[in-house]
Amino acid sequence: QVQLQESGPGLVKPSQTLSLTCTVSGGSISSGGYYWTWIRQHPGKGLEWIGYSYYRGSTYYNPSLQSRVTISVDTSENQFSLNLTSVSAADTAVYYCVRGSVGTCSGGTCSSLDFWGQGTLVTVTP
Amino acid sequence: AIQMTQSPSSLSASIGDRVTITCRASQGIRNELGWYQQKPGKAPKLLIYGASNLQSGVPSRFSGSGSGTDFTLTISSLQPEDFATYYCLQDYNYPWTFGQGTKVEFK
Repeated sequence: QVQLQESGPGLVKPSQTLSLTCTVSGGSISSGGYYWTWIRQHPGKGLEWIGYSYYRGSTYYNPSLQSRVTISVDTSENQFSLNLTSVSAADTAVYYCVRGSVGTCSGGTCSSLDFWGQGTLVTVTP
Repeated sequence: AIQMTQSPSSLSASIGDRVTITCRASQGIRNELGWYQQKPGKAPKLLIYGASNLQSGVPSRFSGSGSGTDFTLTISSLQPEDFATYYCLQDYNYPWTFGQGTKVEFK
């Protein structure tokens, strides 16, 4: 059973960089067909897709965050990470690391977010 | 970005009720839609992918349908553990976008 666990500071000062790591266990991050993804949820609000990194290094980011976000994969540690620069109070949220999968289903290929970390609250505060 | 609109935003139901939640995309997304269940303080959980495919381990009372722009999640007989917030997610193109959520509450 694949498990994901976020780690990193729970408090970040405005204008600094938010850095989180996700450790993957029960499976290899180098397996094809998976997209290592970050999603966040502002307090009491809905879900926002931040972006993903494939293990070979290709990435895609939400245009709303693209200028500030970097997602990278460390295959040697079986981890992937999120860096978000120049944070403000608007970046206060629960951050989830998630495995995105592509597989076959009725109708062709299907994508999904099939395994989630428990989430970690990051608060931006002076 | 594709906008996903869920309705209703919340609903009240009783144990055993049939519950239907709808999700509409701002443009056609074929069948590239998933449904997720989130309970308070927990991460979302995948229920349905590809609009109608039940994720392994998810009870068969959950079903999904639709294609193009209009999709439905149905719970055939609501159980106590189903009180939660449900989100649709389009994975047709990037950035993937979620609906705003539907909170299912006890009547």
